[in-house]
Amino acid sequence: AQSVSQHNHHVILSEAASLELGCNYSYGGTVNLFWYVQYPGQHLQLLLKYFSGDPLVKGIKGFEAEFIKSKFSFNLRKPSVQWSDTAEYFCAVTIKAAGNKLTFGGGTRVLVKP
Amino acid sequence: GAVVSQHPSRVICKSGTSVKIECRSLDFQATTMFWYRQFPKKSLMLMATSNEGSKATYEQGVEKDKFLINHASLTLSTLTVTSAHPEDSSFYICSAHQVLAATEQYFGPGTRLTVT
Repeated sequence: AQSVSQHNHHVILSEAASLELGCNYSYGGTVNLFWYVQYPGQHLQLLLKYFSGDPLVKGIKGFEAEFIKSKFSFNLRKPSVQWSDTAEYFCAVTIKAAGNKLTFGGGTRVLVKP
Repeated sequence: GAVVSQHPSRVICKSGTSVKIECRSLDFQATTMFWYRQFPKKSLMLMATSNEGSKATYEQGVEKDKFLINHASLTLSTLTVTSAHPEDSSFYICSAHQVLAATEQYFGPGTRLTVT
């Protein structure tokens, strides 16, 4: 079965700092990759997704992620964070063979200090 | 955009009673809906896949007799927690696939269940 790991459980940084959240998955076949964000008290929202094509994906709110197939990675980046980026971020994977079920990573809680 | 609603948003019930949670796709049809459970400060755990017109598929370790799922129409799936116990207290979240674009899931706002 596929699994998803997120390296950092908690990240604390200051406004304007750059953010990179690691995500690795374990599955040798074709995958669809997602990053979701959950702001305090709100429901999950899709930040960006990768299905095929350009491995550098741009999402909402200035986020981007790069799919590196050889490393089984899909790291999320933002060059300059804002206080409003304080949230929990989840990496997730689906594989067609598993009926498009999402497998989530453990999540990374990001706190941006003003 | 695709909107998924859940009702109720919060529910408190007594131990031994049953609670029904509804998940609706408001502006699209969903052949497949998913039910997740999120523990405090933890990630989402898939409980079951709900398919319209057929039986739900449960993940390993999830009791199908305790968590009853019904997907009666293309816009509604329900999760009933039967004979609830305090350990069932959690945040339950549903998501839905669009019929014609089954590549992305849209999430509901979640239901906070507290069993006393």
